[in-house]
Amino acid sequence: GQQLNQSPQSMFIQEGEDVSMNCTSSSIFNTWLWYKQDPGEGPVLLIALYKAGELTSNGRLTAQFGITRKDSFLNISASIPSDVGIYFCAGSFQGGSEKLVFGKGMKLTVNP
Amino acid sequence: GAGVSQSPRYKVAKRGQDVALRCDPISGHVSLFWYQQALGQGPEFLTYFQNEAQLDKSGLPSDRFFAERPEGSVSTLKIQRTQQEDSAVYLCASSLNTDTQYFGPGTRLTVL
Repeated sequence: GQQLNQSPQSMFIQEGEDVSMNCTSSSIFNTWLWYKQDPGEGPVLLIALYKAGELTSNGRLTAQFGITRKDSFLNISASIPSDVGIYFCAGSFQGGSEKLVFGKGMKLTVNP
Repeated sequence: GAGVSQSPRYKVAKRGQDVALRCDPISGHVSLFWYQQALGQGPEFLTYFQNEAQLDKSGLPSDRFFAERPEGSVSTLKIQRTQQEDSAVYLCASSLNTDTQYFGPGTRLTVL
């Protein structure tokens, strides 16, 4: 099935560092979302973006919806140990009322 | 309960057995989605219900996969004659009509 191109696939950083990840698609989406998944749990929504060019923050997280509607990035500032997990981007044509297309995920490790 | 619940959390099946996976969505949520997540991959869409109507089943990988939501709340994903390639985590998500999707913890299916 279709999956988005998400990079990098993994990152190892020190506590306090910033980290960025991005996602690209060959398809245009109307909604971009970023999820975090902990082991043994389902994905949890971090940020949702609904307009091209939109820049949204949620605490230490900042995400942008690319102007072309084919890409998005997520930045985490001043990382802490509990940021460890797998981060997924997802695209949708109609937000919560239609299927999500996910990236393959980025595994983040934070060394204290 | 406050969130989406799924049962069982873990299921081991012998090749050829039938399995049934249950999802209890958030109360009042109209939309319900099933996703399949292979090891090291992002979730992939299987099927979508709006109330009791199955509006999209384009992601079901074969006719061995069947989903139902007869009363518009609880949903069951059934896999007949399981194969080893069916081993994955099966995630359920629910949403209000145009709101974000909230995921359950998933059922990890292992086919021996």
